[in-house]
Amino acid sequence: EPEVTQTPSHQVTQMGQEVILRCVPISNHLYFYWYRQILGQKVEFLVSFYNNEISEKSEIFDDQFSVERPDGSNFTLKIRSTKLEDSAMYFCASRGQQNQPQHFGDGTRLSIL
Amino acid sequence: GESVGLHLPTLSVQEGDNSIINCAYSNSASDYFIWYKQESGKGPQFIIDIRSNMDKRQGQRVTVLLNKTVKHLSLQIAATQPGDSAVYFCAENNYGQNFVFGPGTRLSVLP
Repeated sequence: EPEVTQTPSHQVTQMGQEVILRCVPISNHLYFYWYRQILGQKVEFLVSFYNNEISEKSEIFDDQFSVERPDGSNFTLKIRSTKLEDSAMYFCASRGQQNQPQHFGDGTRLSIL
Repeated sequence: GESVGLHLPTLSVQEGDNSIINCAYSNSASDYFIWYKQESGKGPQFIIDIRSNMDKRQGQRVTVLLNKTVKHLSLQIAATQPGDSAVYFCAENNYGQNFVFGPGTRLSVLP
């Protein structure tokens, strides 16, 4: 069964540094998402992406965050200047059509020191 | 009841018993709902979905019930197995792109 893959599985970064989290969505999917989950808390929406542009974003997704789909397969989340509170699991998800379920990757654990 | 932060509601069931996990959703206009299972160190895994024009949907060993009057969703797992131990989240969607996740319930299956 096709799946969403994320790299790296764990990223450790100094505060203030830039970090890029990478995702390869399921190949025929059209909608792409980033979520984060702080340890022990619920999954929080960050941003959705469709037709090469952001379609929705949450309050969490401020100017420090950006997303890109640089080619036909990758979908990246960049945090420009990381803060301690950015430490979390970051999940990428994709889906084929609206009103279909999102399929999630296994996440990248981001640790900011 | 629901909890936030580190204190997830926990449901403990004996292996072989049925489990019922509940979720109160927030938006009466939501039209699509999903139950996800999350095992330790993994991403949410799709279990079953339901649209707002239905009140019940069955899968393999799982049933989702939707009560729009009280904005309540439940997941029933028949003959619970050790492999069912995980955190279960409901998620709601309102014609939009993103899903809003509930805080989750931890299911522990006792031998």
